[in-house]
Amino acid sequence: GAVVSQHPSWVICKSGTSVKIECRSLDFQATTMFWYRQFPKQSLMLMATSNEGSKATYEQGVEKDKFLINHASLTLSTLTVTSAHPEDSSFYICSAIEPGQGYYEQYFGPGTRLTVT
Amino acid sequence: EDQVTQSPEALRLQEGESSSLNCSYTVSGLRGLFWYRQDPGKGPEFLFTLYSAGEEKEKERLKATLTKKESFLHITAPKPEDSATYLCAVQAPSGGSYIPTFGRGTSLIVHP
Repeated sequence: GAVVSQHPSWVICKSGTSVKIECRSLDFQATTMFWYRQFPKQSLMLMATSNEGSKATYEQGVEKDKFLINHASLTLSTLTVTSAHPEDSSFYICSAIEPGQGYYEQYFGPGTRLTVT
Repeated sequence: EDQVTQSPEALRLQEGESSSLNCSYTVSGLRGLFWYRQDPGKGPEFLFTLYSAGEEKEKERLKATLTKKESFLHITAPKPEDSATYLCAVQAPSGGSYIPTFGRGTSLIVHP
């Protein structure tokens, strides 16, 4: 099956610094990737849709200047949390879909736990 | 507005006690309904896609069914390792977007 990896799996950073999270599709090319955040015991909240070679589409209420998304290749999308604050602490998960499927069977990465101190 | 509602929020079962999880939806033009399993601290794991009413899919102790208004995830003779949060998501053309909408999930705990 389709495999998606994320790096790092957890990160602790100081308030005001920036953190980059990588999402890779390992055995398929993903023209579209999604970024979610998840708070404890809550469902997935879609942050943005990342399309290879174009600007990401952000969901309402998500600050695009704070959460920078780059989808530079068919296997890699990155999420950079800029000037992180404690309220940005969360579990960030990416997913990818195989092109041409038509149906959004998403394959998720293992997630990245971000803690901002 | 499209809605996906999962019930119950939490379910505790004894090992071997079969039960069902529900995912009800109100969308126009359903393209697909997806079930995922999520373990604590991990990303969701894809289980099933259902495309049309009457469709059924099985995987080990899990069986997913779909009607025009809801989907059930039946768990037969569950084991403690089936403990997880089960998420469903619905894909439909909402506002021109086909991005699936997720429910809040059902947290399942199976006691030995």
